[in-house]
Amino acid sequence: EILLTQSPGTLSLSPGERATLSCRASQSVRSNYLAWYQQKPGQAPRLLIYGASSRSTGIPDRFSGSGSGTDFTLTISRLEPEDFAVYYCHHYGFGRDSFGQGTRLEI
Amino acid sequence: QVQLVQSGAELKKPGASVRVSCTASGNTFTPYDINWVRQAPGQGLEWVGWINPNSNTGYAQNFQGRVTISRATSIGTVYMDLNSLRSEDTAVYYCARFEVGRAFTTWGQGTMVTVSS
Repeated sequence: EILLTQSPGTLSLSPGERATLSCRASQSVRSNYLAWYQQKPGQAPRLLIYGASSRSTGIPDRFSGSGSGTDFTLTISRLEPEDFAVYYCHHYGFGRDSFGQGTRLEI
Repeated sequence: QVQLVQSGAELKKPGASVRVSCTASGNTFTPYDINWVRQAPGQGLEWVGWINPNSNTGYAQNFQGRVTISRATSIGTVYMDLNSLRSEDTAVYYCARFEVGRAFTTWGQGTMVTVSS
């Protein structure tokens, strides 16, 4: 099982600022099968990015993903009020999925 | 547009078993890979296991021997059975549709399972 470590644990920013979230894997992620989700209180997670850098349907272009191998990044270019939530990275696709512990993005 | 609808909240005693269902509405003619993920109160996401259209399954190490995922394709429903429940199993359990290469694209609304004496 690949262990995913997210940093920072909490990120405090203001609307309009840029957010950079990190996800580091304990071993190389095959096929770049790394996804990012957003979760708000009381809601199910929502898929933002798959394949490390592809935006899911309907996701605004201020969200972008990058990285390969063991180091991945989710960037939100200009924070909107609705972006303040918890973000998780996810290694998938080979029957041994794992999630990072999450990054809380707060105002 | 596929939606996943889960069964309602459950309250169980330690040592009991629970079954949570996940039913696809919309396009139910094409069976999908379905995964289960849980989230304890105030905690992160934890992967439980998966089932594919051929009913092949795989489970996380932490749940081996205690969890069984099955499906009734004719009614578009997937089940997760968890036995020997303990207080640490108290969590919201989500089903999620896996699309090859695209991760978990659709999620159920979640089912709260509470284990308490």
